[in-house]
Amino acid sequence: GAVVSQHPSRVICKSGTSVKIECRSLDFQATTMFWYRQFPKQSLMLMATSNEGSKATYEQGVEKDKFLINHASLTLSTLTVTSAHPEDSSFYICSARGPGSIELFFGEGSRLTVL
Amino acid sequence: AQSVTQPDIHITVSEGASLELRCNYSYGATPYLFWYVQSPGQGLQLLLKYFSGDTLVQGIKGFEAEFKRSQSSFNLRKPSVHWSDAAEYFCAVGSDNYGQNFVFGPGTRLSVLP
Repeated sequence: GAVVSQHPSRVICKSGTSVKIECRSLDFQATTMFWYRQFPKQSLMLMATSNEGSKATYEQGVEKDKFLINHASLTLSTLTVTSAHPEDSSFYICSARGPGSIELFFGEGSRLTVL
Repeated sequence: AQSVTQPDIHITVSEGASLELRCNYSYGATPYLFWYVQSPGQGLQLLLKYFSGDTLVQGIKGFEAEFKRSQSSFNLRKPSVHWSDAAEYFCAVGSDNYGQNFVFGPGTRLSVLP
């Protein structure tokens, strides 16, 4: 099956700094990528949808200036948490879909801890 | 609007016992149905999927699921649970709108007793 890789798997940063999380499709071209946030013992909460070469579409309530999403190529999307605060600590997951594909392929997730 | 319910938040079974996790969906057209498993601190792994055809689908790790249109259900089953099956299980509905995300259920946490 198709592989999506997320990096880093864990990151700890100080409050006020920015953190970038990468999501790569390793063996297919991802025309659409999705970013989720997952709180403990809860389901995935969609943050934004990103299509290659265009601006991301953010879900209601998600601050686009805080969570910057870039999908500059067909194999890479990045999520940058700007000026991170402890309340941004969470598990972030990406998924990707190839052209004409219904199925979503998920990254391994990234655990962000903001001190 | 699409929706997915998983009535059981937490299920505990003994190792070797059979398992059924329930999933009900609401969707106006033919649904594309998925079951994913998530171990702590990990991403989601696809167990199985249903697009069309045979309503009983086989997946990895000995899991199967049956699509019942009349009941709007897609329940996941396993005849004999192993301790390594303890995890969170998510049912999801997708569509052929390629720009659209899946709708996920709230998840069912499975605990396995030795």
